[in-house]
Amino acid sequence: EVQLVESGGVVVQPGGSLRLSCAASGFTFDDYAMHWVRQAPGKGLEWVSLISWDGGSTYYADSVKGRFTISRDNSKNSLYLQMNSLRAEDTALYYCAKAAMVRGVISPCDYWGQGTLVTVSS
Amino acid sequence: QSALTQPASVSGSPGQSITISCTGTSSDVGGYNYVSWYQQHPGKAPKLMIYDVSNRPSGVSNRFSGSKSGNTASLTISGLQAEDEADYYCSSYTSSSTLNWVFGGGTKLTVL
Repeated sequence: EVQLVESGGVVVQPGGSLRLSCAASGFTFDDYAMHWVRQAPGKGLEWVSLISWDGGSTYYADSVKGRFTISRDNSKNSLYLQMNSLRAEDTALYYCAKAAMVRGVISPCDYWGQGTLVTVSS
Repeated sequence: QSALTQPASVSGSPGQSITISCTGTSSDVGGYNYVSWYQQHPGKAPKLMIYDVSNRPSGVSNRFSGSKSGNTASLTISGLQAEDEADYYCSSYTSSSTLNWVFGGGTKLTVL
């Protein structure tokens, strides 16, 4: 059974930093690209970032480019999101999600975690 | 990236069919067959219902179908059931800058 468990969400002050983690199990982690998607309270989904199966390629939404860094450790079946220069508008539930296609980066998300809440507030 | 345009809400009675539209541009919906649809119940994670415009993942009911014409994609749910009441989001690959994905604003489906 595919499981994705996010952690690391806390309350942080504007301008602060945070690292989110996602522990994956139930599938061959290094065969799949991974996404981060966020959802502000009461709002819709917003794609944040994508990393290829080998970590060699990364992609970001314009809203986080230059501030967030996605990475992965295939030896630990783990995905990360380093978030710097946080703003109030980054407040959201952050989901990690698995790409559906083996070694595909143009691939939707077929499994999602339950999310970890990041609140940016003074 | 601009979000794809979906109606805020749709409704239907049990047994009826409904269609949710998702309008983008030639840089996303119209340019690629990489449209997906997700269902999200309150307090739950999204679930993939349709990918690559019209394909259903294993385990998704065949009451759900997808299509596309020009810059507009559509999700049709036939034989509406109470459990279909949820938020639905479309998503598309976009070439507007670098590789990116864009979501629609979401549609609340109410089963009357």
